[in-house]
Amino acid sequence: NAGVTQTPKFQVLKTGQSMTLQCAQDMNHNSMYWYRQDPGMGLRLIYYSASEGTTDKGEVPNGYNVSRLNKREFSLRLESAAPSQTSVYFCASTLGLLSGANVLTFGAGSRLTVL
Amino acid sequence: AQKVTQAQTEISVVEKEDVTLDCVYETRDTTYYLFWYKQPPSGELVFLIRRNSFDEQNEISGRYSWNFQKSTSSFNFTITASQVVDSAVYFCALSEAQSGGGADGLTFGKGTHLIIQP
Repeated sequence: NAGVTQTPKFQVLKTGQSMTLQCAQDMNHNSMYWYRQDPGMGLRLIYYSASEGTTDKGEVPNGYNVSRLNKREFSLRLESAAPSQTSVYFCASTLGLLSGANVLTFGAGSRLTVL
Repeated sequence: AQKVTQAQTEISVVEKEDVTLDCVYETRDTTYYLFWYKQPPSGELVFLIRRNSFDEQNEISGRYSWNFQKSTSSFNFTITASQVVDSAVYFCALSEAQSGGGADGLTFGKGTHLIIQP
């Protein structure tokens, strides 16, 4: 049982380049999330998808787009990468049926560096 | 708006000492959930505990214990007889069941880096 799988694990980009972080879960979860982790800042929510077909902005959505491709997959796209987007990105999912109570299962993280 | 504060940025103790990590939260909801996650040096996030706002019983799991006090909006985490393997960053998090429908994820504190010295 793989849980939440993120690709790639590491990526180096130049300013202005675009890329997509992929996330897939095999737990039949309804809700999926993208967080970024920066030193001293904890984890901050970028976008989330409460259920298949819906996406919503989180705390720090600027510079990002997301796609909930199907129930399993939730991708995060950087259209024009900036050095401020250098971070570790975590995808997470949860069953989402019991409002607020569900434990998030996290992927292993994707370390992105923008030069 | 919901907020989680972990005032201790870094704590360093010697192995076998007891250590308490503080967590203070703010919410307007009467129904909410509190969580603790551990992030070891390997980087993954590991779930430790979930508490709902109606259950103020303290919980103990081995060397770990949690003290939930609604009166002070705190959900503190104590490790008894600490071990080197406890070295990690620990995050406290909050989820509101009413505002935002509860599906809008967790709000995390900034984390406490716990260093256990041998």
